[in-house]
Order: sequence, then structure tokens, then C-alpha cells
Amino acid sequence: DAGVIQSPRHEVTEMGQEVTLRCKPISGHNSLFWYRQTMMRGLELLIYFNNNVPIDDSGMPEDRFSAKMPNASFSTLKIQPSEPRDSAVYFCASSLGLAGGRGNEQFFGPGTRLTVL
Amino acid sequence: GEDVEQSLFLSVREGDSSVINCTYTDSSSTYLYWYKQEPGAGLQLLTYIFSNMDMKQDQRLTVLLNKKDKHLSLRIADTQTGDSAIYFCAESSGDNFGNEKLTFGTGTRLTIIP
Repeated sequence: DAGVIQSPRHEVTEMGQEVTLRCKPISGHNSLFWYRQTMMRGLELLIYFNNNVPIDDSGMPEDRFSAKMPNASFSTLKIQPSEPRDSAVYFCASSLGLAGGRGNEQFFGPGTRLTVL
Repeated sequence: GEDVEQSLFLSVREGDSSVINCTYTDSSSTYLYWYKQEPGAGLQLLTYIFSNMDMKQDQRLTVLLNKKDKHLSLRIADTQTGDSAIYFCAESSGDNFGNEKLTFGTGTRLTIIP
């Protein structure tokens, strides 16, 4: 398996533009997570899905952020409109969704580095 | 709620032992994890410990858990330049739907001094 795939790897956009980040989880994994990493705030969980259903979106910072998982092999994180403070590395991770130990291991994608000018 | 705290930076001389510390708040966490993030990459699971254990050893890695104090540590023996990375502590917590999520600390950036 190729692991968790994210695209694009880098995105540079101007303030006010719409940004869409994409993620393909590992086949067979039931849980998918979106994280944001910045120097100031570290690693933050934005939202996670289980069996394509959003379970907890309490980490989504504002209404400008939205996430979807239309099927088991694809998820998007959209920011509209984008702002400079959204600049960060966004990670997608997936797991088997089984309780505890290796069953709960999250496999991370390489991340998307977003820069909003 | 869950909260996991770590110091941000640690510098260690090559060949010495590194000890990275972490405190967490969720006493019901069944498992606690250490993840490693190398430059430009995502996080990778390094090791984990079940909450009823005090210690787990895996080659150069030793995890110590003090459940009473909610304190977790990761010791890396004979630290090498390849150990330079950010190390994240994480606690697991369940929700009402039977799902588990991880709450990560801020990460400790380990720098190796030649």
C-alpha cells in the first residue's frame, strides 16, 4: 500500500481564495483525521471521521473550514475564504479504528504545506 | 477535557541518553503513545504502552509510565544523529460512539550535539 496520500504537497494562494486539500486514506482503514500543525499551536486535531461520518469537528477553527468524506477512499478539507493565519502544514491520517494499541495506530500522510499571502 | 504537555526543546550530546517527558490529564486513557516526526514528514508511531504497565523496553527505547502522576517519559539510549526529530506524546480517549481519538502534545524537538 502507498500509505496515506495527500495533495497538493505545497499550496501557495492569496488571501480570500478558496483552498481544497485532498486525502486518500489507506485502503481498509475506517477512521480518518485532519490535523493542522503550526509552530505556535503545535499539532491540532481539526476533525475526524469514522466510516465516512464526521464524529467530532470541535477542532475546526471557524465556519470558513469544512471537511467532507464522500466515500471510504477520499476526503477533502476546504478553506473558504482563506486568510494568512491559516498558513500551516495540514496532515491527514487514517487508522483501522480499532480500540487501543496498534489497532489505534494512526498513519500520517506527508502533509500539505499551505501558505496564504 | 484532554490535555497533553511537553517541553518544546531538548539538546543532547551524541552517545548520551535522551529523556523526553510528558504529562497528560485523561486518567481513563487506556494506551499512551510516542510518535516521531522527521523533517518534512508526517508523524510515525514509535512505541506505545498499555496503561496497566509501568515500563516497556524496545531496543534503545524505554517508556516509563507513572499513572498516579499522569507522567510518561521516553528514554533513548545511545542517542544518534538519526534520532533528531520532533517527538510527540499522545493519549487516547473514547467518545460516546465507541471511537477512539488521540490527543497529541505540542512535541519536543530533539537536537543532537556532535
